[in-house]
This record gives sequence, C-alpha cells and structure tokens, in this order.
Amino acid sequence: SQTIHQWPATLVQPVGSPLSLECTVEGTSNPNLYWYRQAAGRGLQLLFYSVGIGQISSEVPQNLSASRPQDRQFILSSKKLLLSDSGFYLCAWSVKAGGPDEQFFGPGTRLTVL
Amino acid sequence: AQRVTQPEKLLSVFKGAPVELKCNYSYSGSPELFWYVQYSRQRLQLLLRHISRESIKGFTADLNKGETSFHLKKPFAQEEDSAMYYCASRARGYNKLIFGAGTRLAVHP
Repeated sequence: SQTIHQWPATLVQPVGSPLSLECTVEGTSNPNLYWYRQAAGRGLQLLFYSVGIGQISSEVPQNLSASRPQDRQFILSSKKLLLSDSGFYLCAWSVKAGGPDEQFFGPGTRLTVL
Repeated sequence: AQRVTQPEKLLSVFKGAPVELKCNYSYSGSPELFWYVQYSRQRLQLLLRHISRESIKGFTADLNKGETSFHLKKPFAQEEDSAMYYCASRARGYNKLIFGAGTRLAVHP
C-alpha cells in the first residue's frame, strides 16, 4: 500500500535561518506531488506541485522553493525564513490526471519562525 | 481562475440536528468538486466526490450548477462528525485542487 511521510513533525527556527522540509512517498511510482500551507482562517493554499523529477510549478510568489531530486521525494526549502513563513505544511500525492482523482496527504510539519 | 468559497468558519450544532456546510465555486468550465475532512489528530482525507454521487458517513453533496454550489449535508449530526471540512474543486483533466478556507463543524452532545 502507498504511504506518505513528512519530517520533521515540528520545527522552530529563528528568522533568517534556512529551511528544509522533506516528503517521501512509498508504494507508488511517478506520482504528482504537492506542497500546501494550512493557515488558520485561510484554508489550504497550494504552494508548489510537481509532475516529475526536476519539474516544479510555483503557485504563489513567496520566500520558499521546492525541489524533486527523486521520483518520490519532494523538498520544501528556504534560504532565509521570514516570520510569515510560520504555518502548517502539508505534502500530498496523487496519480496522474486521468486516473483516480484523490489526493493523499501526509501528517504535516508545524513550522514556527521566531 | 478557480475559486472556492466556504462562508462559514465555524458551524456549531447539537447532536441529532441537521447540518449543511456551504460551498460555492467559481469556474468557467465544468469542474470536479470534492469534500475533504480532517478529524482531530488525523490526516486530511477525502470524504466524497460529486462525480460518485455517493453518501459517506451519512453525508451527501449535490452539485448545483445553476447556483455554482456544492453544499455538504447530513440529516442528523453525530458528535464524531466534529472536524474541519474543506471543499475543493479541480478542473477536468488537471491535478491541481483549489481548496476553500474550511469550515469547522462542532457537534455538541
């Protein structure tokens, strides 16, 4: 069966420090991968999605970047964190368009920038 | 551009009362609509999709193209229905989901 992992589960970082959040998927190949930020009162905001290795689409301008070095690995990064980067980050995967339409979400990472 | 609106941040009802969580979408084409749910300490997960016309855990949602709505309904709420509910839309043939802001449903005994 397929599973999706995220780490770390929680992270407290000072302003200006770098960030690296990791997401990996098991039990499937060539998935679409997504990074969302979940903020109170704002719901789920799609940050990045990827349809393949090295292919990243950015949905909103921001202080973050994403990379997909391997088929089932998706990384969210920042060179210098801002206070506004605090939030709950969710990774998700789905099969390609035309297949089952469900997105499967990871457990999330709670990021606090101080 | 696609947009999903959930006008209520919080919906508070008593056990056994009917529930309706509102969702309106804006999209020029013919989107696919979904409801996702996040129970306390659990992952966000799919509840139901309009294309299946299914009832899950007593919940149903009908796509009303005239009103561009996809409201989630349950005739008799249970305490275990307390959760965060997100409405989402997707353009046909695409993978990107656009989520609403979410509605927290609190069912009181």
